Amino acid sequence: GQQLNQSPQSMFIQEGEDVSMNCTSSSIFNTWLWYKQDPGEGPVLLIALYKAGELTSNGRLTAQFGITRKDSFLNISASIPSDVGIYFCAGGAATYNTNAGKSTFGDGTTLTVKP
Amino acid sequence: NAGVTQTPKFQVLKTGQSMTLQCAQDMNHEYMSWYRQDPGMGLRLIHYSVGAGITDQGEVPNGYNVSRSTTEDFPLRLLSAAPSQTSVYFCASSILAGVPEQYFGPGTRLTVT
Repeated sequence: GQQLNQSPQSMFIQEGEDVSMNCTSSSIFNTWLWYKQDPGEGPVLLIALYKAGELTSNGRLTAQFGITRKDSFLNISASIPSDVGIYFCAGGAATYNTNAGKSTFGDGTTLTVKP
Repeated sequence: NAGVTQTPKFQVLKTGQSMTLQCAQDMNHEYMSWYRQDPGMGLRLIHYSVGAGITDQGEVPNGYNVSRSTTEDFPLRLLSAAPSQTSVYFCASSILAGVPEQYFGPGTRLTVT
């Protein structure tokens, strides 16, 4: 099946630093989504991308849909302690395709922020 | 609006036992799904449903059954628990099958001894 390679696997950063993580695939996806999972909780959607080349921001978070449709990037600026968690990328079919909900998930990037 | 709820939060089973993990959503979402999350791995799709009365298999369906008799509920049944089914299980929903954004429940942590 389709696989996503998410990197880095883990990051240890100082509060205030910027963070970058990415997701790559050998397959084309028509949507890219980024979720965050807090410890002991379910994932929560951060950003959804629908178009190749799209750049979308949500507060200190910025995500991009790669031009080739085979990758996506998430940046977090000026990290704070509550950014701690696991960040997942997910690639999916085009919106309104009945398979759109069957996203393929990356293995996650675990972020630790030191105060 | 409670969103997606799951019960129980924690469960310990002995090998061979059966049980049902409950999932409910109060958002009138058509699409519901079950994932399992294992350490260092992403979320793997077990079963999904595009509407009441319709279910289908995901990536890792063996050992699990589902049904969708109502829009709100999507229980996951373990027929004969095995240690390999030790995992954290997440239920998720989306407003329509054709909408990729999903809302996740808080998860059920299952241990099979």
